[in-house]
Amino acid sequence: QKEVEQDPGPLSVPEGAIVSLNCTYSNSAFQYFMWYRQYSRKGPELLMYTYSSGNKEDGRFTAQVDKSSKYISLFIRDSQPSDSATYLCAMRVPFTSGTYKYIFGTGTRLKVLA
Amino acid sequence: SAVISQKPSRDICQRGTSLTIQCQVDSQVTMMFWYRQQPGQSLTLIATANQGSEATYESGFVIDKFPISRPNLTFSTLTVSNMSPEDSSIYLCSVNPGRGLGDPDTQYFGPGTRLTVL
Repeated sequence: QKEVEQDPGPLSVPEGAIVSLNCTYSNSAFQYFMWYRQYSRKGPELLMYTYSSGNKEDGRFTAQVDKSSKYISLFIRDSQPSDSATYLCAMRVPFTSGTYKYIFGTGTRLKVLA
Repeated sequence: SAVISQKPSRDICQRGTSLTIQCQVDSQVTMMFWYRQQPGQSLTLIATANQGSEATYESGFVIDKFPISRPNLTFSTLTVSNMSPEDSSIYLCSVNPGRGLGDPDTQYFGPGTRLTVL
């Protein structure tokens, strides 16, 4: 089982739709939860991050974490063609040495149709 | 957030040669990370580079193949040595943002280096 599972898509939605992107994870030690947006031929861009269960909202974006179910989601309201990109979830796992690393999902390709 | 640049942005190389990728940050950062992203795949961590210490490599990646330098708090290089077509990928550097530049528990990425090995 992969540490992080993410539906690769592609996901096509009409402009204005609500988009739900999801990741599940298996390691309860994961701490910080992040969502990145990656446009074609660009580096990932940090969209949102949170470390607690619940919702965090930023404009049209809402990040949701459910640690009991090991499930995180990103909701995009009023989706726009400019939201068309690959969305990656990421989580930070600590080591006993005090260091850490980040585990990424495979990414979901989203296309918003005008 | 930290501004990260990478050079070159892309390159086409012959098998058996080596390429050094540079990563420059506009602020001092402690930890820098190097990732590989193969077509249609997610990001795979190659190594973590802290200034003043040897890089820590992930399973499947070795120093002889991917030597890393970290001479100061704003710069790092990754060399892809003795390249083969399987090394064709996007190589990304990332950092935890410095104080005042964002949440230190998150990562910011450079634009990537697109490498094609013939």
